[in-house]
Amino acid sequence: GAGVSQSPRYKVAKRGQDVALRCDPISGHVSLFWYQQALGQGPEFLTYFQNEAQLDKSGLPSDRFFAERPEGSVSTLKIQRTQQEDSAVYLCASSLVGYSGNTIYFGEGSWLTVV
Amino acid sequence: AQKVTQAQTEISVVEKEDVTLDCVYETRDTTYYLFWYKQPPSGELVFLIRRNSFDEQNEISGRYSWNFQKSTSSFNFTITASQVVDSAVYFCALSEANAGNNRKLIWGLGTSLAVNP
Repeated sequence: GAGVSQSPRYKVAKRGQDVALRCDPISGHVSLFWYQQALGQGPEFLTYFQNEAQLDKSGLPSDRFFAERPEGSVSTLKIQRTQQEDSAVYLCASSLVGYSGNTIYFGEGSWLTVV
Repeated sequence: AQKVTQAQTEISVVEKEDVTLDCVYETRDTTYYLFWYKQPPSGELVFLIRRNSFDEQNEISGRYSWNFQKSTSSFNFTITASQVVDSAVYFCALSEANAGNNRKLIWGLGTSLAVNP
């Protein structure tokens, strides 16, 4: 596609519910990132994929957070047993190749509110 | 340790004024990359510019210009003749070349720019 596409755009979840957030990266992009952005803050790194391999998941805040990219394109970020502190915008980004200077393009984000 | 500091939390200007957004970074790597992104109220982070550490040439793109100075570890962003559509949060970010498998961006906290008519 033309840009990084994320769905759902907005999600309200009851505390304890599981949620799944989807990311369609730009076609042909090797690298895929997930970031979490709380209100009024900068993005915080969650995890990084190169093709289907998850090379860095050091930013995932707990074992309730899980990300996958089984075929090296679409990725899903799953949050189990959501808690109020999980409320944030979840940003997906992709880049063409996997070197650190490559430009990273972001989607519009999935806005998660846990009530 | 890597760090990006955007000291200005909020800036308010009147349309047509020039405005400069500051960015200071810290890194131990000799090869690194600096970025500016714009985040309008819709939430999407829009890429503005990428600069590598070996290229200190300043860049101009329309009303936007960037001043990269390695001596002061700064990568400042100037908007000339600001417009209401420039209102957004602007983020400066750093990526290090020697980070191994870690390709993540290190972000500043952002500067919220309000351009008033």
